[in-house]
Amino acid sequence: EAGVVQSPRYKIIEKKQPVAFWCNPISGHNTLYWYLQNLGQGPELLIRYENEEAVDDSQLPKDRFSAERLKGVDSTLKIQPAELGDSAVYLCASSPVGLTETQYFGPGTRLLVL
Amino acid sequence: DAKTTQPTSMDCAEGRAANLPCNHSTISGNEYVYWYRQIHSQGPQYIIHGLKNNETNEMASLIITEDRKSSTLILPHATLRDTAVYYCIVRGTGTASKLTFGTGTRLQVTL
Repeated sequence: EAGVVQSPRYKIIEKKQPVAFWCNPISGHNTLYWYLQNLGQGPELLIRYENEEAVDDSQLPKDRFSAERLKGVDSTLKIQPAELGDSAVYLCASSPVGLTETQYFGPGTRLLVL
Repeated sequence: DAKTTQPTSMDCAEGRAANLPCNHSTISGNEYVYWYRQIHSQGPQYIIHGLKNNETNEMASLIITEDRKSSTLILPHATLRDTAVYYCIVRGTGTASKLTFGTGTRLQVTL
């Protein structure tokens, strides 16, 4: 069974530029998560989707971050415009049903903003 | 969700058992103890979880004290590939049950 797929794996951009990350969850997983991981820290939840509905986006900085999960499968996380402090790893995870199920993580996208 | 306390780092010789402790003194009755690990440049990987009974799977064993205020993750025969950051997470059920990661324990397995 294929795991969570993320692309790109690495991205280098200049500040004020837009950037987008893509995630394809494990087939059949209804719940999808985006996490942010700063260097030396554990991942922090940005947003959680149940199918195509964002049910928890309380930690998403909505002035510059946006996310979508059209058709309840793939998801895209966007930053516009990027700032130097956005340099981090962006992780996507999925789980089969709701929050109490095990979350499976992708390899992440490492973003460097110059 | 209850907060956890883990040592910052630990070393273990290859082939020996690695015992990773975690304190969660404020855990409540319906909260689970989860363990994940993160190998360098990879996403976190689920290891095991438990409520009050000890648990074992193909990766590890989880020992939870009777009062549930602490637990130990045991890797019975550590290998170099077990070098990673190990996260102990207390997690409830229902809509409030997020995975809240701390800074974890960095386990270094050496020859």
